Amino acid sequence: GAVVSQHPSWVICKSGTSVKIECRSLDFQATTMFWYRQFPKQSLMLMATSNEGSKATYEQGVEKDKFLINHASLTLSTLTVTSAHPEDSSFYICSARDPRDGDLLGQYFGPGTRLTVT
Amino acid sequence: AQSVTQPDIHITVSEGASLELRCNYSYGATPYLFWYVQSPGQGLQLLLKYFSGDTLVQGIKGFEAEFKRSQSSFNLRKPSVHWSDAAEYFCAVAAFPYSGAGSYQLTFGKGTKLSVIP
Repeated sequence: GAVVSQHPSWVICKSGTSVKIECRSLDFQATTMFWYRQFPKQSLMLMATSNEGSKATYEQGVEKDKFLINHASLTLSTLTVTSAHPEDSSFYICSARDPRDGDLLGQYFGPGTRLTVT
Repeated sequence: AQSVTQPDIHITVSEGASLELRCNYSYGATPYLFWYVQSPGQGLQLLLKYFSGDTLVQGIKGFEAEFKRSQSSFNLRKPSVHWSDAAEYFCAVAAFPYSGAGSYQLTFGKGTKLSVIP
């Protein structure tokens, strides 16, 4: 099946700094990628939908200036958490849709990135 | 708006016992339903999906799920649980954000944590 990777898997940063998380589709070209946030013992909350070559579509309540998403190529999307604060600490997961599957098959998820802001 | 309810936060079963994880959805149109499994610190792996046709869906790792429209349910089952099945299980419903959208969004339930007693 299709494989999605994320880097880094775990990152600790100081409050006020920015952190970039990469999401790559390893064996397919993903025109659409999704970014989720997962709080402990909570479900995944969709943050934004990222389309290659265009601006990301953010869900209501997600600060687009804080969570910068760039989908510069068909295999890479990045999420940058700007001016991170402790409340941004979370598990961030990306997923990608393989267009070869057709319209309605499951998304392929990355392994997630654990962000801790001190 | 669509929603997913997983009534059981945590279930413990003995190895070899049967398993049923409950999922109820709310969606105005024909639902596209998924079950995902998440091992600790890992991303999500698709177990199975339902789009149409036979309401009993077979998935990987011996799991199956039955779609019951009258009950708005999509319960996950396994006849004999293995210790390696211990993980978090998420039910999700897909929805297109707008008419003609080329990609769908997933709404997840809060998950059910499965513990397996050897």
